[in-house]
Amino acid sequence: KAGVTQTPRYLIKTRGQQVTLSCSPISGHRSVSWYQQTPGQGLQFLFEYFSETQRNKGNFPGRFSGRQFSNSRSEMNVSTLELGDSALYLCASSEGLGPNIQYFGAGTRLSVL
Amino acid sequence: GEDVEQSLFLSVREGDSSVINCTYTDSSSTYLYWYKQEPGAGLQLLTYIFSNMDMKQDQRLTVLLNKKDKHLSLRIADTQTGDSAIYFCAEIRDSNYQLIWGAGTKLIIKP
Repeated sequence: KAGVTQTPRYLIKTRGQQVTLSCSPISGHRSVSWYQQTPGQGLQFLFEYFSETQRNKGNFPGRFSGRQFSNSRSEMNVSTLELGDSALYLCASSEGLGPNIQYFGAGTRLSVL
Repeated sequence: GEDVEQSLFLSVREGDSSVINCTYTDSSSTYLYWYKQEPGAGLQLLTYIFSNMDMKQDQRLTVLLNKKDKHLSLRIADTQTGDSAIYFCAEIRDSNYQLIWGAGTKLIIKP
């Protein structure tokens, strides 16, 4: 089975722009979670989607949003980018809700200038 | 403070054993995980342990769980240069199945 695929791998944007990141989960996995990783804050949970519905949400401003499609692929969007949004954004998929193992993609490295 | 705590760095000699420690706070956590992150890469699941187990061994990896002290450790036998990475401990909360992460321990291998 193919693993979790995130695109693009690298992005450079400027302040005020918006960005969309994509995540394709492992085939058969229905849950997708997103994390932000920075050197100062470590791994921070953004949100989790299951069956096209957001199930859990972390403590991030409304500029961060996401969605999940019927094929379980997910996108996250960040609007009005700020310098502090520069980070590695990681997507993880799991079979479903519950204490399932999360499998991670390689991440998208976003740099905001 | 963080709910899951780890030391930030561990330095060991090649060939020695590495022991990475983690403390957590939620006694109801069902599963505890160890993930590995190499530079520029995502997180790779190394191993996990159910909360009703004390120990789990998988080749060079040994996980020990002390529920009374809420302490989890990962032992890597015969540490190699390829083991250089950041190791994350995580617990899963029964309330919402959310993963709670430690800050990660950077393992440095000395020749």
